Amino acid sequence: AQSVAQPEDQVNVAEGNPLTVKCTYSVSGNPYLFWYVQYPNRGLQFLLKYITGDNLVKGSYGFEAEFNKSQTSFHLKKPSALVSDSALYFCAVVNTGFQKLVFGTGTRLLVSP
Amino acid sequence: DTEVTQTPKHLVMGMTNKKSLKCEQHMGHRAMYWYKQKAKKPPELMFVYSYEKLSINESVPSRFSPECPNSSLLNLHLHALQPEDSALYLCASSQALAGAGETQYFGPGTRLLVL
Repeated sequence: AQSVAQPEDQVNVAEGNPLTVKCTYSVSGNPYLFWYVQYPNRGLQFLLKYITGDNLVKGSYGFEAEFNKSQTSFHLKKPSALVSDSALYFCAVVNTGFQKLVFGTGTRLLVSP
Repeated sequence: DTEVTQTPKHLVMGMTNKKSLKCEQHMGHRAMYWYKQKAKKPPELMFVYSYEKLSINESVPSRFSPECPNSSLLNLHLHALQPEDSALYLCASSQALAGAGETQYFGPGTRLLVL
Protein backbone atom coordinates (compact mmCIF):
# COMPACT_ATOMS: atom_id res chain seq x y z
CA ALA A 1 0.00 0.00 0.00
CA GLN A 2 1.10 3.55 -0.53
CA SER A 3 -0.10 6.78 1.07
CA VAL A 4 0.77 10.44 1.40
CA ALA A 5 0.10 12.79 4.29
CA GLN A 6 0.01 16.56 4.12
CA PRO A 7 -0.48 17.50 7.77
CA GLU A 8 -1.36 21.15 7.22
CA ASP A 9 -4.62 22.17 5.57
CA GLN A 10 -3.30 25.71 5.21
CA VAL A 11 0.02 27.50 5.42
CA ASN A 12 0.20 31.27 5.83
CA VAL A 13 3.36 33.20 5.04
CA ALA A 14 4.24 36.81 4.37
CA GLU A 15 5.61 37.80 0.99
CA GLY A 16 9.38 37.63 0.92
CA ASN A 17 9.60 35.08 3.72
CA PRO A 18 10.64 31.45 3.15
CA LEU A 19 7.88 28.88 2.85
CA THR A 20 7.63 25.18 3.60
CA VAL A 21 4.79 22.85 2.71
CA LYS A 22 5.11 19.48 4.41
CA CYS A 23 4.65 16.01 2.96
CA THR A 24 5.33 12.55 4.37
CA TYR A 25 4.82 9.29 2.56
CA SER A 26 4.49 5.58 3.10
CA VAL A 27 5.36 3.06 0.40
CA SER A 28 6.81 -0.40 0.19
CA GLY A 29 9.90 -0.12 -1.97
CA ASN A 30 11.45 2.92 -3.57
CA PRO A 31 9.21 5.95 -3.96
CA TYR A 32 8.77 8.34 -6.80
CA LEU A 33 7.57 11.65 -5.34
CA PHE A 34 5.89 14.60 -7.02
CA TRP A 35 4.66 18.09 -6.22
CA TYR A 36 1.84 19.72 -8.16
CA VAL A 37 0.21 23.15 -7.81
CA GLN A 38 -3.37 24.00 -8.64
CA TYR A 39 -4.72 27.50 -9.14
CA PRO A 40 -8.50 28.11 -8.83
CA ASN A 41 -10.55 26.46 -11.57
CA ARG A 42 -7.42 25.13 -13.26
CA GLY A 43 -5.73 21.80 -13.78
CA LEU A 44 -2.70 20.60 -11.85
CA GLN A 45 0.68 21.99 -12.85
CA PHE A 46 3.79 19.87 -12.33
CA LEU A 47 6.42 21.53 -10.12
CA LEU A 48 9.08 18.91 -9.49
CA LYS A 49 9.76 15.25 -8.79
CA TYR A 50 12.21 12.96 -7.06
CA ILE A 51 13.15 9.72 -8.78
CA THR A 52 16.66 8.95 -7.62
CA GLY A 53 19.98 10.66 -7.03
CA ASP A 54 20.46 14.04 -5.35
CA ASN A 55 18.10 14.46 -2.41
CA LEU A 56 17.57 18.15 -3.18
CA VAL A 57 15.37 18.60 -6.22
CA LYS A 58 14.91 21.95 -7.94
CA GLY A 59 11.79 22.68 -9.90
CA SER A 60 9.71 25.36 -11.55
CA TYR A 61 9.13 28.92 -10.26
CA GLY A 62 11.97 28.74 -7.73
CA PHE A 63 10.54 25.81 -5.77
CA GLU A 64 12.67 23.00 -4.42
CA ALA A 65 12.07 19.90 -2.32
CA GLU A 66 14.26 17.71 -0.17
CA PHE A 67 13.88 13.96 -0.12
CA ASN A 68 14.59 12.51 3.33
CA LYS A 69 14.46 8.73 3.34
CA SER A 70 14.92 8.27 7.08
CA GLN A 71 12.03 10.63 7.87
CA THR A 72 10.03 9.54 4.80
CA SER A 73 9.45 13.18 3.94
CA PHE A 74 9.48 15.32 0.83
CA HIS A 75 8.85 18.89 1.96
CA LEU A 76 8.38 21.65 -0.60
CA LYS A 77 10.32 24.86 -0.05
CA LYS A 78 10.91 28.26 -1.53
CA PRO A 79 13.39 30.84 -0.18
CA SER A 80 11.19 33.88 -0.83
CA ALA A 81 7.42 33.60 -1.24
CA LEU A 82 5.40 35.62 -3.74
CA VAL A 83 1.73 36.56 -3.49
CA SER A 84 1.28 34.76 -6.80
CA ASP A 85 2.39 31.50 -5.11
CA SER A 86 -0.95 31.41 -3.31
CA ALA A 87 -2.60 28.20 -4.51
CA LEU A 88 -3.40 24.60 -3.57
CA TYR A 89 -0.40 22.29 -3.43
CA PHE A 90 -0.54 18.50 -3.76
CA CYS A 91 2.15 15.98 -2.92
CA ALA A 92 1.91 12.61 -4.68
CA VAL A 93 3.71 9.27 -4.55
CA VAL A 94 4.00 6.12 -6.59
CA ASN A 95 6.35 3.20 -6.10
CA THR A 96 8.11 1.12 -8.67
CA GLY A 97 5.77 -1.18 -10.51
CA PHE A 98 2.61 0.30 -9.00
CA GLN A 99 0.56 2.07 -11.61
CA LYS A 100 -1.42 4.51 -9.53
CA LEU A 101 -0.31 7.98 -8.46
CA VAL A 102 -1.59 8.62 -4.94
CA PHE A 103 -2.22 12.23 -3.90
CA GLY A 104 -2.16 13.85 -0.51
CA THR A 105 -5.16 15.86 0.68
CA GLY A 106 -3.59 19.13 -0.40
CA THR A 107 -2.30 22.21 1.41
CA ARG A 108 -3.59 25.68 0.71
CA LEU A 109 -0.80 28.24 0.68
CA LEU A 110 -1.73 31.85 1.34
CA VAL A 111 0.96 34.47 0.84
CA SER A 112 0.04 37.87 2.23
CA PRO A 113 1.47 41.12 0.82
CA ASP B 1 5.38 21.49 -25.25
CA THR B 2 3.60 19.87 -22.30
CA GLU B 3 0.06 20.81 -23.21
CA VAL B 4 -3.00 18.69 -22.68
CA THR B 5 -6.22 20.21 -24.00
CA GLN B 6 -9.74 19.47 -22.84
CA THR B 7 -13.12 20.39 -24.27
CA PRO B 8 -15.53 21.72 -23.29
CA LYS B 9 -14.37 23.93 -20.42
CA HIS B 10 -17.81 23.91 -18.87
CA LEU B 11 -20.75 21.54 -19.29
CA VAL B 12 -24.23 21.59 -17.83
CA MET B 13 -26.36 18.51 -18.40
CA GLY B 14 -29.56 16.97 -17.20
CA MET B 15 -29.72 13.49 -15.72
CA THR B 16 -31.17 12.05 -18.93
CA ASN B 17 -28.63 13.62 -21.29
CA LYS B 18 -25.74 12.01 -23.11
CA LYS B 19 -22.59 14.05 -23.48
CA SER B 20 -18.89 13.50 -24.06
CA LEU B 21 -15.71 15.04 -22.70
CA LYS B 22 -12.68 15.20 -24.96
CA CYS B 23 -8.97 15.26 -24.23
CA GLU B 24 -6.06 15.61 -26.62
CA GLN B 25 -2.28 15.56 -26.33
CA HIS B 26 0.43 15.77 -28.97
CA MET B 27 3.44 14.89 -26.83
CA GLY B 28 3.63 11.30 -28.03
CA HIS B 29 2.58 10.06 -24.61
CA ARG B 30 1.35 6.48 -24.45
CA ALA B 31 -0.53 6.64 -21.15
CA MET B 32 -3.66 8.74 -20.60
CA TYR B 33 -5.81 9.20 -17.53
CA TRP B 34 -9.20 10.45 -16.37
CA TYR B 35 -9.53 11.91 -12.88
CA LYS B 36 -12.49 13.31 -11.01
CA GLN B 37 -11.92 16.16 -8.56
CA LYS B 38 -14.36 17.59 -6.07
CA ALA B 39 -13.82 21.07 -4.65
CA LYS B 40 -10.78 21.38 -2.38
CA LYS B 41 -10.11 17.63 -2.64
CA PRO B 42 -7.33 15.70 -4.39
CA PRO B 43 -7.97 14.18 -7.80
CA GLU B 44 -9.45 10.67 -7.78
CA LEU B 45 -8.29 8.29 -10.47
CA MET B 46 -11.05 6.92 -12.68
CA PHE B 47 -9.43 5.26 -15.70
CA VAL B 48 -5.98 4.63 -17.14
CA TYR B 49 -5.20 3.82 -20.75
CA SER B 50 -1.85 2.45 -21.83
CA TYR B 51 -1.09 2.10 -25.53
CA GLU B 52 -4.77 2.73 -26.26
CA LYS B 53 -5.93 -0.15 -24.08
CA LEU B 54 -7.79 0.21 -20.81
CA SER B 55 -5.32 -0.61 -18.07
CA ILE B 56 -7.10 0.46 -14.90
CA ASN B 57 -10.77 1.02 -14.09
CA GLU B 58 -11.17 2.19 -10.51
CA SER B 59 -14.62 0.62 -10.13
CA VAL B 60 -16.24 3.57 -11.84
CA PRO B 61 -20.03 3.34 -12.43
CA SER B 62 -21.03 2.32 -15.94
CA ARG B 63 -22.66 5.68 -16.57
CA PHE B 64 -19.07 6.79 -17.29
CA SER B 65 -17.65 5.16 -20.41
CA PRO B 66 -14.09 5.89 -21.53
CA GLU B 67 -12.79 5.57 -25.06
CA CYS B 68 -9.34 5.95 -26.57
CA PRO B 69 -9.75 6.25 -30.36
CA ASN B 70 -6.03 6.76 -30.95
CA SER B 71 -2.85 7.54 -29.05
CA SER B 72 -3.57 11.28 -28.94
CA LEU B 73 -7.24 11.29 -27.99
CA LEU B 74 -9.20 10.26 -24.93
CA ASN B 75 -12.95 10.59 -24.54
CA LEU B 76 -15.25 10.18 -21.58
CA HIS B 77 -18.85 9.44 -22.50
CA LEU B 78 -21.46 10.42 -19.96
CA HIS B 79 -24.98 9.04 -19.69
CA ALA B 80 -27.65 9.22 -17.02
CA LEU B 81 -25.44 11.02 -14.54
CA GLN B 82 -26.43 11.96 -11.02
CA PRO B 83 -26.08 15.37 -9.35
CA GLU B 84 -23.27 13.99 -7.19
CA ASP B 85 -21.25 13.47 -10.36
CA SER B 86 -20.84 17.23 -10.62
CA ALA B 87 -17.10 17.89 -10.40
CA LEU B 88 -14.00 18.97 -12.28
CA TYR B 89 -12.93 16.21 -14.67
CA LEU B 90 -9.23 16.20 -15.38
CA CYS B 91 -7.38 14.46 -18.16
CA ALA B 92 -3.67 13.71 -17.89
CA SER B 93 -1.01 12.04 -19.97
CA SER B 94 2.47 10.64 -19.43
CA GLN B 95 5.20 9.05 -21.50
CA ALA B 96 4.66 5.76 -19.70
CA LEU B 97 2.67 4.49 -16.74
CA ALA B 98 3.07 5.98 -13.27
CA GLY B 99 5.08 3.07 -11.93
CA ALA B 100 7.99 4.06 -14.16
CA GLY B 101 8.21 7.42 -12.39
CA GLU B 102 6.88 9.29 -15.38
CA THR B 103 5.41 12.75 -14.87
CA GLN B 104 1.71 13.14 -15.54
CA TYR B 105 0.75 16.36 -17.30
CA PHE B 106 -2.75 17.60 -16.66
CA GLY B 107 -5.23 19.45 -18.81
CA PRO B 108 -7.23 22.43 -17.50
CA GLY B 109 -10.27 20.26 -16.83
CA THR B 110 -13.96 20.28 -17.68
CA ARG B 111 -16.26 21.70 -15.01
CA LEU B 112 -19.37 19.51 -15.08
CA LEU B 113 -22.69 20.39 -13.47
CA VAL B 114 -25.45 17.78 -13.45
CA LEU B 115 -28.93 19.14 -12.79
